[in-house]
Amino acid sequence: DQQVKQNSPSLSVQEGRISILNCDYTNSMFDYFLWYKKYPAEGPTFLISISSIKDKNEDGRFTVFLNKSAKHLSLHIVPSQPGDSAVYFCAARTALGAGSYQLTFGKGTKLSVIP
Amino acid sequence: NAGVMQNPRHLVRRRGQEARLRCSPMKGHSHVYWYRQLPEEGLKFMVYLQKENIIDESGMPKERFSAEFPKEGPSILRIQQVVRGDSAAYFCASSPPEGTGPSNYGYTFGSGTRLTVV
Repeated sequence: DQQVKQNSPSLSVQEGRISILNCDYTNSMFDYFLWYKKYPAEGPTFLISISSIKDKNEDGRFTVFLNKSAKHLSLHIVPSQPGDSAVYFCAARTALGAGSYQLTFGKGTKLSVIP
Repeated sequence: NAGVMQNPRHLVRRRGQEARLRCSPMKGHSHVYWYRQLPEEGLKFMVYLQKENIIDESGMPKERFSAEFPKEGPSILRIQQVVRGDSAAYFCASSPPEGTGPSNYGYTFGSGTRLTVV
């Protein structure tokens, strides 16, 4: 039972255009949503997050939108650059109590930005 | 300010041998998480530990896998009698206690250990 779903395994975008990566979730108890970026042979690195009480968070070229009623979030990258080519993981956080929490990850979307 | 350190980066084991993967969390981080990434799959949670305690091991296979985070030293993920299906990238992540220090509300990951069982 996948609680966090990234239905597009891959996405190709022209340099300079907008990249939109999508993520759906099923658990209403998630309190934060995060996007991680992963290059081959490296660990995932944190990109941007959004609280479940917000609907938008922006950081430079990266913006995350959250639609709670649809249980859907998206990551927008504009303008896309060749260096953005990587696998992007959507993650959702569950508070376990006593200051502890756990992340649940989607399967990832491989973004290729074509020069 | 070293990040999360995992070693070895690559590990080759024959079927039936034991694999030991080590993880040193970031300085000041007391929570350690192990994830596994199988080919063409996402990151699957395995276990969450704090010093000398296993908090959540709901993602650990019932047999052959164990994890520890002793009072001193790194966290260890141990796989006994490895089989070909254990071949994967194993990632360790750490986080500070909630409400302490700067937080991105997520984890900091290491570069992973790539286990190949031949």
